[in-house]
Amino acid sequence: GESVGLHLPTLSVQEGDNSIINCAYSNSASDYFIWYKQESGKGPQFIIDIRSNMDKRQGQRVTVLLNKTVKHLSLQIAATQPGDSAVYFCAEKAGGSYIPTFGRGTSLIVHP
Amino acid sequence: DGGITQSPKYLFRKEGQNVTLSCEQNLNHDAMYWYRQDPGQGLRLIYYSQIVNDFQKGDIAEGYSVSREKKESFPLTVTSAQKNPTAFYLCASSIYEGVYYTFGSGTRLTVV
Repeated sequence: GESVGLHLPTLSVQEGDNSIINCAYSNSASDYFIWYKQESGKGPQFIIDIRSNMDKRQGQRVTVLLNKTVKHLSLQIAATQPGDSAVYFCAEKAGGSYIPTFGRGTSLIVHP
Repeated sequence: DGGITQSPKYLFRKEGQNVTLSCEQNLNHDAMYWYRQDPGQGLRLIYYSQIVNDFQKGDIAEGYSVSREKKESFPLTVTSAQKNPTAFYLCASSIYEGVYYTFGSGTRLTVV
């Protein structure tokens, strides 16, 4: 069935490094993608989004890249800080539906 | 400040008992959602409501019930029919057909 998945369940980086979290999706009808950050014991928080008519979008220290050809998106975090340690979810939404499908999540661990 | 509040943060239930989780929002959002999160898994949709006095089953509605008598409130009852209720429950809200979810901080339910 259609699903959103992640390549790596856990990513460990050193403070100051750049982090890249990957996400694969299989629904070619998906036209909107969202990244969420979930800190331990808390609810997910919106980080950044991208529509299918774009291939790159930048925020503060974060960049989302979308490759529709291979159905892949990534979240890049520049100069990773200990406060970035969290689980990161990607979510996709297909046109005609407003219920997104969430991926399993990647745990980012930042070592000081 | 506008937001979405879940209570209690931790909840313990004896087997065979029903328990109700509270979710209140003051964002004037039309739609509200309940998700279940288990370790290492993504968010699974239990129920959602687009408007007052109307709600729809999600992917894992069995053993759960909801009501939407007020726009601000969307309580979830975990019934004794739910075979494996121990989990982290997240409530979210959005504008109608919106994809910008605001999540609550979650309720961790443990069956003892």
